[in-house]
Amino acid sequence: AQSVTQLDSQVPVFEEAPVELRCNYSSSVSVYLFWYVQYPNQGLQLLLKYLSGSTLVESINGFEAEFNKSQTSFHLRKPSVHISDTAEYFCAVSSNSGYSTLTFGKGTMLLVSP
Amino acid sequence: DTEVTQTPKHLVMGMTNKKSLKCEQHMGHRAMYWYKQKAKKPPELMFVYSYEKLSINESVPSRFSPECPNSSLLNLHLHALQPEDSALYLCASSQESGPYEQYFGPGTRLTVT
Repeated sequence: AQSVTQLDSQVPVFEEAPVELRCNYSSSVSVYLFWYVQYPNQGLQLLLKYLSGSTLVESINGFEAEFNKSQTSFHLRKPSVHISDTAEYFCAVSSNSGYSTLTFGKGTMLLVSP
Repeated sequence: DTEVTQTPKHLVMGMTNKKSLKCEQHMGHRAMYWYKQKAKKPPELMFVYSYEKLSINESVPSRFSPECPNSSLLNLHLHALQPEDSALYLCASSQESGPYEQYFGPGTRLTVT
C-alpha cells in the first residue's frame, strides 16, 4: 500500500515570489510520482511526472520537482509565480509494477495575490 | 493529442431519474477510469476498465453502472441517485492500467435534487 501526504492545505504567496509545495509519500516498493493541477471548475491536468532517470523534472510552464528517495519526497517548486498559477495542486503516487492505481494527496491550494 | 472529452458538462437530475455520463478518448489508450470528486477533496477512484473489461470496482453502489462499449468510449449510467452523490465526475485514460500517467477529462458536474 502507498500513501501521499501534502502537509499544506493552502499556500498564499505574492506574485513573482518563489513557492514550494510539499509532498511526501510512503510505499514499500519503488514508485512513480506525479503532480496534477486543477484550475477552478476544470479537470486535472498532468503537470509533471517522475518515472525514472533524472531526479529533477521540469514542466513547460516553469514548475519543477525533485524526487528525493532518501526523504521520500517530491516537492514542487517555482521560482516566480503568476496570478494564473492560482489552482489546486495534487501530488500522486503509483507503484511502478503490477496492477497499481494512483493514490492522491489531499491537495494544496496555491493562492497567488498581486 | 492528449484530450479526453466528457459530456454533459453539467447535469441536474432527480432521485428517480436515469441518466448517463459519457467519456471519449482518441489516444489509443487501453485503460479508462471513473473518479468522483467532492469539493475541496482529491478524486476518488470508482472504476477501472482495462482492454474494455472491468478490472476494478472500488465497492461502488449499484446505482452507478459503468459500461465500456469500445476502447475509446466509457459510460457511467446513473439510476436512483442520492443527494450525496452530487459531485464532479471525472473520466481519465492511460496507455495501460497500472503505473502510467493518467489524462483527465474536464468532468461532469452532477447535482442530484
